[in-house]
Amino acid sequence: DQQVKQNSPSLSVQEGRISILNCDYTNSMFDYFLWYKKYPAEGPTFLISISSIKDKNEDGRFTVFLNKSAKHLSLHIVPSQPGDSAVYFCAAIHNAGNMLTFGGGTRLMVKP
Amino acid sequence: DGGITQSPKYLFRKEGQNVTLSCEQNLNHDAMYWYRQDPGQGLRLIYYSQIVNDFQKGDIAEGYSVSREKKESFPLTVTSAQKNPTAFYLCASLTTSGNHNEQFFGPGTRLTVL
Repeated sequence: DQQVKQNSPSLSVQEGRISILNCDYTNSMFDYFLWYKKYPAEGPTFLISISSIKDKNEDGRFTVFLNKSAKHLSLHIVPSQPGDSAVYFCAAIHNAGNMLTFGGGTRLMVKP
Repeated sequence: DGGITQSPKYLFRKEGQNVTLSCEQNLNHDAMYWYRQDPGQGLRLIYYSQIVNDFQKGDIAEGYSVSREKKESFPLTVTSAQKNPTAFYLCASLTTSGNHNEQFFGPGTRLTVL
């Protein structure tokens, strides 16, 4: 059973608008969450993270929101740029462990 | 510069042959990981190692083997027992600094079985 799910396999957004990528998890032991960005034929690169003691973390155009009661997090990109077009993976880790559990990814396409 | 290197970038193998994918890191990370990505799929964990001379199976270890003789190196062997070896393979290492963990990924190796 998938513990981390990204239910939207793809998302298309107009340049300048907001992109919202969603992620749901089932394991209440997860206490740290990360977003990775991946271009084709390259390794994922770390984008932004959030600890379970927070509900929001912002870094430039990227903001991650965490709703612990709903076991849901989202990544907001504002404004979206064509260079943001990539696959975005949500990942979760629990209680001082070092195993990341990844979602299936969402392919974001930002149209000029 | 510190980082993770994987070689080669592209690898072709005949069916029935074993092949070894290289992963090296100079980040002084203890934990290292191998993932596999198939088209349109997420990352699936093959093997991981938290310390030298120790490693554990991930979710899809069948048909793969690893070694961890040095902290810097975590090679993955794709054996002939792996039924669908064609995929993009990613190596990662983990840092636990301050109050967060972060995995760093290598550039990946695309393996194609002919």
